[in-house]
Amino acid sequence: AQSVTQLDSQVPVFEEAPVELRCNYSSSVSVYLFWYVQYPNQGLQLLLKYLSGSTLVESINGFEAEFNKSQTSFHLRKPSVHISDTAEYFCAVSDLRGYQKVTFGTGTKLQVIP
Amino acid sequence: DVKVTQSSRYLVKRTGEKVFLECVQDMDHENMFWYRQDPGLGLRLIYFSYDVKMKEKGDIPEGYSVSREKKERFSLILESASTNQTSMYLCASTSSSYNSPLHFGNGTRLTVT
Repeated sequence: AQSVTQLDSQVPVFEEAPVELRCNYSSSVSVYLFWYVQYPNQGLQLLLKYLSGSTLVESINGFEAEFNKSQTSFHLRKPSVHISDTAEYFCAVSDLRGYQKVTFGTGTKLQVIP
Repeated sequence: DVKVTQSSRYLVKRTGEKVFLECVQDMDHENMFWYRQDPGLGLRLIYFSYDVKMKEKGDIPEGYSVSREKKERFSLILESASTNQTSMYLCASTSSSYNSPLHFGNGTRLTVT
């Protein structure tokens, strides 16, 4: 079985300030790791993913996440946030079976304050 | 671009009614999923399907059933709706490629009164 923990349900941050959204996972097997973002009134969309190789992965809009196997973490960071980053962010893990069964965290609402 | 379409954005039903939530994807994906999203609980998997006429229970299947008669369509059925099934329902699809992400629809907000 696998699980994902997002300890922060809400994170308020001022515009242009840095932000870190925390994610820890638990699994007895190797996993893939994902961050999904949900903008208001929309479904989730993939922000970035870690499959293998470099432990630092980046998205096209300036977010990055680092896979830390020893700490079983996959924290999401951005050095300078914009109003448009206001959304809910979900960390997720999937095992390596073919059915793509994904386990999601409870989500972190990022509120960017102008 | 992959498109996952959920037939209704908002739905209001009465307790005891039979409810159908429809989902269609246009990218020939093998796998399809139904999640429900509740505040503080994140997304929980109800059912998924990896092929036509195939289905597997997720983490919270009680009170739900599904149907997949065609590859592109995956229906969620509430046989007898109850108030505790008031929620946001999200459909998703993905290919069988091991690193393929989930593609989500915009969700159906169901209210059972």
